[in-house]
Amino acid sequence: EDKVVQSPLSLVVHEGDTVTLNCSYEVTNFRSLLWYKQEKKAPTFLFMLTSSGIEKKSGRLSSILDKKELSSILNITATQTGDSAIYLCAGPNSGGSNYKLTFGKGTLLTVNP
Amino acid sequence: ETGVTQTPRHLVMGMTNKKSLKCEQHLGHNAMYWYKQSAKKPLELMFVYSLEERVENNSVPSRFSPECPNSSHLFLHLHTLQPEDSALYLCASSQTGSQPQHFGDGTRLSIL
Repeated sequence: EDKVVQSPLSLVVHEGDTVTLNCSYEVTNFRSLLWYKQEKKAPTFLFMLTSSGIEKKSGRLSSILDKKELSSILNITATQTGDSAIYLCAGPNSGGSNYKLTFGKGTLLTVNP
Repeated sequence: ETGVTQTPRHLVMGMTNKKSLKCEQHLGHNAMYWYKQSAKKPLELMFVYSLEERVENNSVPSRFSPECPNSSHLFLHLHTLQPEDSALYLCASSQTGSQPQHFGDGTRLSIL
């Protein structure tokens, strides 16, 4: 059974700090890995990673995939209070279905002023 | 505004009631999903429809009954729910199975 493990489960930082969130993905047939940000409501899509070693970047957020290790990190630089959210990592089911995503439990990030 | 609209936002119902959750997507996507999100647990996929055909049914109890009348609308019909069914129910859509899913804001369901 596919498994997505995120660490840490929660993290408290001060504004301006840089944070690194981790995701490891135990799967037999890797295809892609996705990151989402969830504030009080809808998870919003951040990145989809399919190629190892290529960084995806959006403003202060960036993510990179290590396909060999089946892991990914999400970096947030110069954190702001608006970055406070649950960050979710997910991967498609390796059993063949394109539609099924396995989600991790998420990392709860709290950014204090 | 995510392009995926869910109603109602909150729902409180008794165990013997029948109610329905509605989801509408304005993104022109072909696939729609229902997820359950409970406290301290990962998002759990319930159902997937692609072009109005159900393609995933994740061992969900029969008290949850999905309906997809067209590729823009998805319903979740609820009847005789249990207290442990209290959760946030999220709808999502994607262009294809391999494209990122876009989520609605969810319906917060409480079973008395």
